[in-house]
Amino acid sequence: AQSVTQLDSHVSVSEGTPVLLRCNYSSSYSPSLFWYVQHPNKGLQLLLKYTSAATLVKGINGFEAEFKKSETSFHLTKPSAHMSDAAEYFCVVMDSSASKIIFGSGTRLSIRP
Amino acid sequence: NAGVTQTPKFRVLKTGQSMTLLCAQDMNHEYMYWYRQDPGMGLRLIHYSVGEGTTAKGEVPDGYNVSRLKKQNFLLGLESAAPSQTSVYFCASSYLEGTNQPQHFGDGTRLSIL
Repeated sequence: AQSVTQLDSHVSVSEGTPVLLRCNYSSSYSPSLFWYVQHPNKGLQLLLKYTSAATLVKGINGFEAEFKKSETSFHLTKPSAHMSDAAEYFCVVMDSSASKIIFGSGTRLSIRP
Repeated sequence: NAGVTQTPKFRVLKTGQSMTLLCAQDMNHEYMYWYRQDPGMGLRLIHYSVGEGTTAKGEVPDGYNVSRLKKQNFLLGLESAAPSQTSVYFCASSYLEGTNQPQHFGDGTRLSIL
């Protein structure tokens, strides 16, 4: 069975410092993994996706994530946080069919000036 | 290009009332989805559709019905609203099924059941 665990419900960093949002997954197959961002009162927007190509995936707005099969992790990072990065972030695992889409519970990222 | 549009954006209902949420996409996507988002629980799949005229149950289908009469539209119905259905509802669409197809989301419908 699939599952996704976002290890932190809330992360707070200072502007200009690195961001790390953690995601662990479990899947019986070779999954596809996604990170989405949700700004207040908005829908989810795709940040990046992993689909069994390069293990280091670059996304929009300077974010990247590394797929580590041995650790079953797909952590999201950014070298330098910006105030506009404040939002909710969701890690998503997708299996082979449309019904096998599992969202993590989300991590709220706050940026301190 | 509007993408995925949800109507209405907000609604307050009384217990037992019925209503329909409309999702429209202009990207010619085959797949469409309805999710609900509750605090601390991420998004949960209610129903989905793999093409015009087809629907299927997701993780939490009870109390909801859906229809996909036209490819661009996916309707979510609540026949008899209950307070437990107070939530934010998101519609999404994707071009094809497949593990590398991201979903495009609408801005959500905030529904309160009194």
